[in-house]
Amino acid sequence: ETAVFQTPNYHVTQVGNEVSFNCKQTLGHDTMYWYKQDSKKLLKIMFSYNNKQLIVNETVPRRFSPQSSDKAHLNLRIKSVEPEDSAVYLCASSLDRFSYEQYFGPGTRLTVL
Amino acid sequence: QQKVQQSPESLIVPEGGMASLNCTSSDRNVDYFWWYRQHSGKSPKMLMSIFSNGEKEEGRFTVHLNKASLHTSLHIRDSQPSDSALYLCAASMTSGSWQLIFGSGTQLTVMP
Repeated sequence: ETAVFQTPNYHVTQVGNEVSFNCKQTLGHDTMYWYKQDSKKLLKIMFSYNNKQLIVNETVPRRFSPQSSDKAHLNLRIKSVEPEDSAVYLCASSLDRFSYEQYFGPGTRLTVL
Repeated sequence: QQKVQQSPESLIVPEGGMASLNCTSSDRNVDYFWWYRQHSGKSPKMLMSIFSNGEKEEGRFTVHLNKASLHTSLHIRDSQPSDSALYLCAASMTSGSWQLIFGSGTQLTVMP
């Protein structure tokens, strides 16, 4: 039933390292998102892409950079991770930028030691 | 201050009981409300949405909306242990950046 796939499921790394997360959706949707869910379960949007174009870029540290090769794929790279980056990173997609029913992937749990 | 506030933070109800969850927005630009459910270790899934004043019922779940006060509530009757999850309220604003703003959720536990 899963249609939004994320890799890896978990990642443990040390402060200062670079990490990359991948997301793929098979729903044929135009819009994809990256969210960060912190230890208090608060979901905050980080980036939104519509047909490979960045349409929302919330105020996140510059060490975070999203990349989209096509509308079905959205990656997230973090250069030089810091302890506060420990969280679950959730990828989601929606039919288009005006659709609010979003389909979430299983998430990538990042732990920064 | 968070634009979407949920209460209570956690709620315990007995099996078969009624669970009532609340959500309010402080932003007058909010148009619609969405309820998502996230089981432990799983991803959020949309449960219900409501756009108009009044109520909407789907099975054991009922959502109310008062647009004047920007308050929505989710009621689960005949609660089941499988309803135990984090319930996330989200608000959308059609003017602006076309995104969902999530509250921090209500953790519901249904005791058998």
